[in-house]
Amino acid sequence: ETGVTQSPTHLIKTRGQQVTLRCSSQSGHNTVSWYQQALGQGPQFIFQYYREEENGRGNFPPRFSGLQFPNYSSELNVNALELDDSALYLCASSLQPTGNNSPLHFGNGTRLTVT
Amino acid sequence: DAKTTQPPSMDCAEGRAANLPCNHSTISGNEYVYWYRQIHSQGPQYIIHGLKNNETNEMASLIITEDRKSSTLILPHATLRDTAVYYCIAKSGSARQLTFGSGTQLTVLP
Repeated sequence: ETGVTQSPTHLIKTRGQQVTLRCSSQSGHNTVSWYQQALGQGPQFIFQYYREEENGRGNFPPRFSGLQFPNYSSELNVNALELDDSALYLCASSLQPTGNNSPLHFGNGTRLTVT
Repeated sequence: DAKTTQPPSMDCAEGRAANLPCNHSTISGNEYVYWYRQIHSQGPQYIIHGLKNNETNEMASLIITEDRKSSTLILPHATLRDTAVYYCIAKSGSARQLTFGSGTQLTVLP
């Protein structure tokens, strides 16, 4: 069973630039969620993708967007990067978008630094 | 989802049981209690979850009080590799996301 994989592991961008982060879900999982984790804090929910559509969103501005592909992999795009976007970005997959029979399985994240 | 309260840090001797408490006094009847942990520089790892009955798996045991206002995660024989931040989360079936708090930093001492 292949777990959740994310790429790249580390990334440095300049304020105002755009970035794309990638995630491959665990085998058999059709739902992908993205979280942002600032240093010293718990992860914060950005959004969830299910059936290639956004299926729920946290308190993040529209410059955070995503995609899900037919093979259930996903991308997180952030436009007009700000210094506060520096964080660990975590991808998680699950068997279904809601319910309590499918815990989230997380990747090890992409560390984004905005200078 | 109900707010959970955890101590910011705890220590445990290697080989002893680690008992991590969590208060969730406003939990509703359809909210499960989830535990995740995050080892430094890794993503959160699912440990266990339950509604009202005690649960056990290969990693840990979850004890939920009868009134469901609090719970305890038990790692029966802590090892140095169990050093991590442990998150207790209340989640309903309809919620799409996990709402993480600050968690408990567990340090297992040799």
